[in-house]
Amino acid sequence: KAGVTQTPRYLIKTRGQQVTLSCSPISGHRSVSWYQQTPGQGLQFLFEYFSETQRNKGNFPGRFSGRQFSNSRSEMNVSTLELGDSALYLCASSLEDTTYNEQFFGPGTRLTVL
Amino acid sequence: AQRVTQPEKLLSVFKGAPVELKCNYSYSGSPELFWYVQYSRQRLQLLLRHISRESIKGFTADLNKGETSFHLKKPFAQEEDSAMYYCALSGSGGSYIPTFGRGTSLIVHP
Repeated sequence: KAGVTQTPRYLIKTRGQQVTLSCSPISGHRSVSWYQQTPGQGLQFLFEYFSETQRNKGNFPGRFSGRQFSNSRSEMNVSTLELGDSALYLCASSLEDTTYNEQFFGPGTRLTVL
Repeated sequence: AQRVTQPEKLLSVFKGAPVELKCNYSYSGSPELFWYVQYSRQRLQLLLRHISRESIKGFTADLNKGETSFHLKKPFAQEEDSAMYYCALSGSGGSYIPTFGRGTSLIVHP
C-alpha cells in the first residue's frame, strides 16, 4: 500500500497570507489527524477528522481549520499567517480512530512564514 | 489536562549496554500508550503499543499505572537503534487529544 502523502513538501509564505496543505491517507483509512511540530513545542495535535467530520480538536486558534473529503483526503488551512506558524506540519492516518490504532505519518510539509 | 513527559532529551550509550527511555504520563482516564520512533531521514513510525504487549526489535515497555510510567527498555542496544523516540498517549472513550512527549534522542556508540 502506498503511504501517507502530503503536498506540498515545502512552502514559503509571508505574514498575513493564508495556506492550504493537503494530505492523502493510506487507502482504506478513515481517520486523518494533523499535527504541528516545532523545536520549541514538539509535536502538538491540531485536529482529527473521521468520515468527513471533525472528531477532536487541539488547542489552536480558529485560524487553523481543516476538512475531510468523501475519499478521506484531508486539507488543513491556516489563515492570516504569523511568524510563529513556521513549523513542520504532519498528517497521520489511521484505520479507525487513534485510541488503539497505529497512526501512519506522512513526510510532512515544511512551512516557513517570512 | 493530559501530559506526557520524557525527562531526557538525549540518551547516549555504548553498543551492548542496556537502554531505558523514560516516559511518565498524566491522564485522568484509562490511558492507551504508544512508543513511536523516527530514524534519520525517515518518517515517524510506531514502535510498539502497550495494548499489544509485544516486543519489537528487542524493545519492551510496561505500563505502570501506579507510577504512571511507560518506560521503553532494551537489554542490549545496537547502533541501528540510534533514533528519536516519542512516547504518546491516547485516551479511551469520548473526546481525547493524542499527546506526544518532546522526544528522546538515543545515540548508540560503537
